[in-house]
Amino acid sequence: NFMLTQPHSVSESPGKTVTISCTGSSGSIASNYVQWYQQRPGSAPTTVISEDNQRPSGVPDRFSGSIDSSSNSASLTISGLKTEDEADYYCQSYDSGNHWVFGGGTKLTVL
Amino acid sequence: EVQLVESGGGLVQPGGSLRLSCAASGFNFSRYWMQWVRQAPGKGLEWVSQINSYGSSTNYADSVKGRFTISRDNAKNTLYLQMSSLRAEDTALYYCARGTDQLARSWGQGTLVTVSS
Repeated sequence: NFMLTQPHSVSESPGKTVTISCTGSSGSIASNYVQWYQQRPGSAPTTVISEDNQRPSGVPDRFSGSIDSSSNSASLTISGLKTEDEADYYCQSYDSGNHWVFGGGTKLTVL
Repeated sequence: EVQLVESGGGLVQPGGSLRLSCAASGFNFSRYWMQWVRQAPGKGLEWVSQINSYGSSTNYADSVKGRFTISRDNAKNTLYLQMSSLRAEDTALYYCARGTDQLARSWGQGTLVTVSS
């Protein structure tokens, strides 16, 4: 079964840059689009990156997405960190049967 | 403004049934794929099911296949999830989401389902 693996947690200081990885278990992660969702404590998820690297309207350009085929991974990079970026972040893609797959989530602490 | 409002959650005994609804507004509901995604308390996101814009194509996670049925009423701008043979492990906050067959662009606030005796 296709799986996505994320680090459990990351932390960084305000103003700095952080990158969250999402590694595919099999096949090529570049074959299907990867999305990133932000979930602040007590709130519903929101979409911050879709289709590997597209920012929905209203998402600051501090958020960017990329794919690295050599490591079979996707990455979410947040620059100029703000305390409001503190949240859980989930990557998502899908398998050959179009079943969605979520990564386990990464807790970002901005301290 | 896109709005998705889930309802129908509650406390149900193991083996029981429940129907969730998701009322959509602010967009042309009949043009979009819709999803159900759930989140068990303190856990991550888990995809449950999806339906195409016409209601003619559906897809389910293995964990719910044969027990849950997704449907929609485009005239009423409403998405449904009929859940039966509920188990303790189905306890979760259930979100509906608008998007394509491959991604979500907008999310509701969720409705809580608790399966317990």
